[in-house]
Amino acid sequence: DIQMTQSPSTLSASVGDRVTITCRASQSISSWLAWYQQKPGKAPNLLIYKASSLESGVPSRFSGSGSGTEFTLTISSLQPDDFATYYCQQYNSSPLTFGGGTKVEIK
Amino acid sequence: QVQLQESGPGLVKPSETLSLTCTVSGGSISTDYWSWIRHPPGKGLEWIGYIYYGGSANYNPSLKSRLTMSVDTSRKQFSLKLTSVTAADTAVYFCAKYSSSSSFNLWGQGTLVTVSS
Repeated sequence: DIQMTQSPSTLSASVGDRVTITCRASQSISSWLAWYQQKPGKAPNLLIYKASSLESGVPSRFSGSGSGTEFTLTISSLQPDDFATYYCQQYNSSPLTFGGGTKVEIK
Repeated sequence: QVQLQESGPGLVKPSETLSLTCTVSGGSISTDYWSWIRHPPGKGLEWIGYIYYGGSANYNPSLKSRLTMSVDTSRKQFSLKLTSVTAADTAVYFCAKYSSSSSFNLWGQGTLVTVSS
């Protein structure tokens, strides 16, 4: 199985901050990586697919980059609605696997 | 727009079978893949498996021996059966639409299933 490791596990930030979350795969997954945002009691919501493609309807302050084994999710200017948990997920090979999550908290 | 809704018992006894159904509304089920994902309390997300509308399926090896997924295109539903459950199967279960290009691009709201006597 491909292991997905996210860092940090928790991040404290203020509104307006630039935030970067890292995701590392245990082997190359090309660009088959997705990012999700999840709020308490809700389903995850797709933000980014194929490492850098913005899902329709997602604000442009979210961006993704990387390929191979190293990926990042960047929020250019953190908004109040962005405090949530973020997960990366690889879909290069089965079983599909998720990172452990990064909780973005208010500083 | 397409929406997904999970349904099924919220409480299952240990050693029994967990059965859930996901209903697709507002669109066709005869496209892409249909998946189940779970989120145990205090843990990360775990992919369970997906099934194509034609019936072919791909399961997580960690659950494969206990898992059966099926699809009913006439009812626009797909289902999950997990046998011999234990407390470790307690989780919020989500159904989701899976695309090989964009992964899980649509999710149901999720349903909590507790395994307890």
